Amino acid sequence: DVKVTQSSRYLVKRTGEKVFLECVQDMDHENMFWYRQDPGLGLRLIYFSYDVKMKEKGDIPEGYSVSREKKERFSLILESASTNQTSMYLCASSPRPRPVGYTFGSGTRLTVV
Amino acid sequence: GESVGLHLPTLSVQEGDNSIINCAYSNSASDYFIWYKQESGKGPQFIIDIRSNMDKRQGQRVTVLLNKTVKHLSLQIAATQPGDSAVYFCAEKGASGGSYIPTFGRGTSLIVHP
Repeated sequence: DVKVTQSSRYLVKRTGEKVFLECVQDMDHENMFWYRQDPGLGLRLIYFSYDVKMKEKGDIPEGYSVSREKKERFSLILESASTNQTSMYLCASSPRPRPVGYTFGSGTRLTVV
Repeated sequence: GESVGLHLPTLSVQEGDNSIINCAYSNSASDYFIWYKQESGKGPQFIIDIRSNMDKRQGQRVTVLLNKTVKHLSLQIAATQPGDSAVYFCAEKGASGGSYIPTFGRGTSLIVHP
């Protein structure tokens, strides 16, 4: 069964910490995405990547960065975590040429205290 | 900007009934639409998609209808079961950072009562 795996289901971090959220897919997909999901706001795109070492800003990139050193792995980095970054984070991947057919991971619920 | 929205945030139905979840979109240039299901504690899961050159597409117990005239999309679930309880999202191929990045609606919570 094809999968997108997020390394942590739940994380609790302190304000100001540097936080790494890891995502790995085993489908050889070119495209990978990071979303955050908040009640009443739906899914909002943070960053995405069409290829290794390539990244593009989504709708809400502020306070985040990403890394794609290998095709299967896409990392989301919170440079200095803040309480307003408490959220559910979802990673997704999709193949070319139809990147809308996403496969999502199970999500990481991050709490910043 | 463009938006995708859902008419009802919560829909409650009895087991065995048919469910209809609605979605309005505003980008008349959108040409691809998807429905996702998200169960509690899980990521969204692809259900069914439809291209703008179609009005209807059927899957197993699900049907998606597209009305381009009024920019409306619906998901019909036949003989709804308790396992169908979830949040359902529609998405359209949008323009956030690239022509293939979809825009997601905010979701409708479907509650199926046994």
